[in-house]
Amino acid sequence: QVQLVQSGAEVKKPGASVKVSCKASGYTFTSYGISWVRQAPGQGLEWMGWISAYNGNTNYAQKLQGRVTMTTDTSTSTAYMELRSLRSDDTAVYYCARGLATSPNSFDYWGQGTLVTVSS
Amino acid sequence: QSALTQPASVSGSPGQSITISCTGTSSDVGSYNLVSWYQQHPGKAPKLMIYEVSKRPSGVSNRFSGSKSGNTASLTISGLQAEDEADYYCCSYAGSSTYVVFGGGTKLTVL
Repeated sequence: QVQLVQSGAEVKKPGASVKVSCKASGYTFTSYGISWVRQAPGQGLEWMGWISAYNGNTNYAQKLQGRVTMTTDTSTSTAYMELRSLRSDDTAVYYCARGLATSPNSFDYWGQGTLVTVSS
Repeated sequence: QSALTQPASVSGSPGQSITISCTGTSSDVGSYNLVSWYQQHPGKAPKLMIYEVSKRPSGVSNRFSGSKSGNTASLTISGLQAEDEADYYCCSYAGSSTYVVFGGGTKLTVL
């Protein structure tokens, strides 16, 4: 069965960086893209960006350009999301999600979420 | 402020039908048949309910249906059940520059 398993919760200070991992299993990793979506406490969903697990092509949300980097390691079927220069409003649950091949905004499997807390 | 506009809340009684609207623009909802809907229960990851405007993933009840007219997409839930109480988010492809946008979410209460 398809599974996306994310790394554990993180607590970071403002200005620091965080790197969240998302290990995929149960399907051919390179046949799908991975998007990252975050959700601040009590707020809605925010799309952060997408990476092709096939060729590493990326597309980032404009508001995060320059602070976010998404990568994959095909040898371990793992996707990574690094966010730099953290601010308090980056406190959120971060999800990875598999995107349907034919529909870039359709995410059929999700990770369990990783809580990132930014606090001094 | 979210790119797509949804009502903050809707409610209905068990057995009734409700519709949640999702209004975008000619740059997103109006230009592509790539609207998806997600259900999220508290503390859980979102679940895909509808994709490509009206398609249901395997395992999703046929009580859930989607449609689109112009710049507005809609999710209809018929035969409301207590387990349908959750937050619902619409999502649209928005072209190669913006790529993906979400609505602000709608809280469904089953009375």
